[in-house]
Amino acid sequence: EADIYQTPRYLVIGTGKKITLECSQTMGHDKMYWYQQDPGMELHLIHYSYGVNSTEKGDLSSESTVSRIRTEHFPLTLESARPSHTSQYLCASSELSGQSTDTQYFGPGTRLTVL
Amino acid sequence: KNEVEQSPQNLTAQEGEFITINCSYSVGISALHWLQQHPGGGIVSLFMLSSGKKKHGRLIATINIQEKHSSLHITASHPRDSAVYICAVPPTQGGSEKLVFGKGTKLTVNP
Repeated sequence: EADIYQTPRYLVIGTGKKITLECSQTMGHDKMYWYQQDPGMELHLIHYSYGVNSTEKGDLSSESTVSRIRTEHFPLTLESARPSHTSQYLCASSELSGQSTDTQYFGPGTRLTVL
Repeated sequence: KNEVEQSPQNLTAQEGEFITINCSYSVGISALHWLQQHPGGGIVSLFMLSSGKKKHGRLIATINIQEKHSSLHITASHPRDSAVYICAVPPTQGGSEKLVFGKGTKLTVNP
């Protein structure tokens, strides 16, 4: 079983609030990812990181930002939440080999609702 | 960029039935992933395969590289197999750590 954690699991918040979604893994993985998934739709990569102080934007444009100060921690921040940010956010990690053959381990997800 | 099509979108079966879920992609790849997403949202990696067939318990995954097609089979299906099954591939033939995901097949197994 993968050791990757996300908090909170559910969050309901008002428009304009700043929020941070937490993701931590204890597997020592260098690569970490944030995905956004709307109900019934596919996952879209919004951010990824190769390691400490490395962050890249994914394929789906997102108003969120990420940081990677420690290997095990990859938080995602929304400075001003809007109803369009309502979605499920999934964090994942994998070992650093740079190939699509790496297995990604997923956290349980955070279901965000912005009113 | 690779495009992933899964079929069927929804599948309802009776306990014990043999299940097949299909995945087709448009660009040659180095590896294909099958994932399982539970109703609560959590995702588990089931298989990563680049050729032939892999088996894990009642789950079997096959891939035909030439036809750009993969299938996931479940033998003796059980209600606990109810989940969304997702296929994922790299975006280009050269491979990438980033994946393109299908929309998933929602499987419901009734007792």
